[in-house]
Amino acid sequence: DAKTTQPTSMDCAEGRAANLPCNHSTISGNEYVYWYRQIHSQGPQYIIHGLKNNETNEMASLIITEDRKSSTLILPHATLRDTAVYYCIVRMYSSASKIIFGSGTRLSIRP
Amino acid sequence: DTAVSQTPKYLVTQMGNDKSIKCEQNLGHDTMYWYKQDSKKFLKIMFSYNNKELIINETVPNRFSPKSPDKAHLNLHINSLELGDSAVYFCASSPAGTSGYNEQFFGPGTRLTVL
Repeated sequence: DAKTTQPTSMDCAEGRAANLPCNHSTISGNEYVYWYRQIHSQGPQYIIHGLKNNETNEMASLIITEDRKSSTLILPHATLRDTAVYYCIVRMYSSASKIIFGSGTRLSIRP
Repeated sequence: DTAVSQTPKYLVTQMGNDKSIKCEQNLGHDTMYWYKQDSKKFLKIMFSYNNKELIINETVPNRFSPKSPDKAHLNLHINSLELGDSAVYFCASSPAGTSGYNEQFFGPGTRLTVL
């Protein structure tokens, strides 16, 4: 079973910041938070990951609470192409560690 | 283009047939995976290979047999196809897990329909 809880769906106006929350209250000390997204009919796409510090890359920012029990993915200027299902995943830093996808958050960007 | 590629993109077949899906990655990664996404859109890992060795096998029926001829290829062979095998199958690859972050790159998927 997935170790994360996300809202089923969200929407955001184009050009605004999309903030996607994720709860992972049972995360262990050696587990990272990863975010992927799946645009309709395509393979999942890696977005960002972090351990305990906030992270930023060209796609998004990841804010992890100090107790690491929750995190927020921020898409700073959402576009219509960001419409997708976003998956928050916790897993260890190893290729032998499985990615267990939950049901994710379906993000709709409205014009 | 550097990528994970899968063939075929669509596969329609009759119950009881045997079929294969091919996956190739030219990213130089050591680890490859097969995932199944069912009609409810749940994405589940099936297998993982690291340098041609099986490291994850998620209680998949033994009708499913992955084959890794080299570390750039991981093919999925399915015997005696059943209706419940209808799904989208995704291949993925990632760098070696102990030396860096473990981003997985996914292929475009193969939509298998069993009639």
